[in-house]
Amino acid sequence: DAKTTQPNSMESNEEEPVHLPCNHSTISGTDYIHWYRQLPSQGPEYVIHGLTSNVNNRMASLAIAEDRKSSTLILHRATLRDAAVYYCILRALIGSQGNLIFGKGTKLSVKP
Amino acid sequence: DSGVTQTPKHLITATGQRVTLRCSPRSGDLSVYWYQQSLDQGLQFLIQYYNGEERAKGNILERFSAQQFPDLHSELNLSSLELGDSALYFCASSVGGRGALSSYNEQFFGPGTRLTVL
Repeated sequence: DAKTTQPNSMESNEEEPVHLPCNHSTISGTDYIHWYRQLPSQGPEYVIHGLTSNVNNRMASLAIAEDRKSSTLILHRATLRDAAVYYCILRALIGSQGNLIFGKGTKLSVKP
Repeated sequence: DSGVTQTPKHLITATGQRVTLRCSPRSGDLSVYWYQQSLDQGLQFLIQYYNGEERAKGNILERFSAQQFPDLHSELNLSSLELGDSALYFCASSVGGRGALSSYNEQFFGPGTRLTVL
């Protein structure tokens, strides 16, 4: 699976939008972009995933660059509960073993 | 609540001992994954089982072993424990196991077992 690069940490104010970037310049055409997050003292949880088009779900939006070399996870209104480590993970369509390969992620702090 | 259960929540033991961690996947999920999270190594994949068979191995030590039973629950056995084995151990489950389906099947993680080796 190709590698991703994320900022170590980011800060946000409560009720403001948050844009979490991820660079994946070596992404292949069949790699899916997944985001997971890990709240304090909990296991990781799935947030969203996409391939080429932007995606929305109840938790967040995923904006994927046209060349797919980067993506941005968007939390529309951050809450204190969104404080977590966010992981951007690429998963190969072909040849994937199925397990997730976690990097260091971005630690998001949310200020009241 | 992800639907994945892990027992025990906490485990404290001594070096050289052996422990067993247990995981029950979500109903209907055939794959079980084990991950280790330590402060210095982050989240690392250990091993995966799919419908009772080993599917993939990651950075799992030879002192560690796992199995998945006919009812799909899984156990991770850690033996000859060392101080460095102290970590959070997570189990995750998903519907599929490998290849194309696994690329977009989300994984559901349990709450983890915190192992402390003294």
